[in-house]
Amino acid sequence: AQSVAQPEDQVNVAEGNPLTVKCTYSVSGNPYLFWYVQYPNRGLQFLLKYITGDNLVKGSYGFEAEFNKSQTSFHLKKPSALVSDSALYFCADNSGTYKYIFGTGTRLKVLA
Amino acid sequence: DAGITQSPRYKITETGRQVTLMCHQTWSHSYMFWYRQDLGHGLRLIYYSAAADITDKGEVPDGYVVSRSKTENFPLTLESATRSQTSVYFCASTGGGPYTGELFFGEGSRLTVL
Repeated sequence: AQSVAQPEDQVNVAEGNPLTVKCTYSVSGNPYLFWYVQYPNRGLQFLLKYITGDNLVKGSYGFEAEFNKSQTSFHLKKPSALVSDSALYFCADNSGTYKYIFGTGTRLKVLA
Repeated sequence: DAGITQSPRYKITETGRQVTLMCHQTWSHSYMFWYRQDLGHGLRLIYYSAAADITDKGEVPDGYVVSRSKTENFPLTLESATRSQTSVYFCASTGGGPYTGELFFGEGSRLTVL
């Protein structure tokens, strides 16, 4: 069965420090992985995706994600966090189908 | 360009009443989706549509009905609302192939069932 896990409900990081938001996946075929961000009272916004190719994917707002097939992970990273990065982050997989499966979300708090 | 809009943004109703949440997109995207967002569950797919007059169930379809007579509209109806349907509902669309295209989300409709 297709599933996505985000093991941390919340991540706190100091402004200027690197951040990592974790995601692991379990799919029977090839994963098609996405990261989205949600600001308060807003819809989700696309950050980046991995379909095939380079394991390091670059996206919007300075974010990047590393696909690791052996660890079945797709962690979101940023070298230097901003207070404005504080939001709810979702990992998702659709395995090449219409059915996007989302993780439960990780709240990122960047402390000034 | 308006993109994807949902209405109403906020709705309070009573148990047993019928409620319809509207979703309209201006891109002529083929694929549209309805999700509900609940604490601890993330987003769960209710229904999706690949084109006008083509709809299919997602993970949690019970108690919901959808239709898609026009490409741009994808209303979600709760035929007899229950308290467990209190949630934030998001409509989304994508124009690319579903396996590569990112989803574009509306701002959400917050529904409270008393």
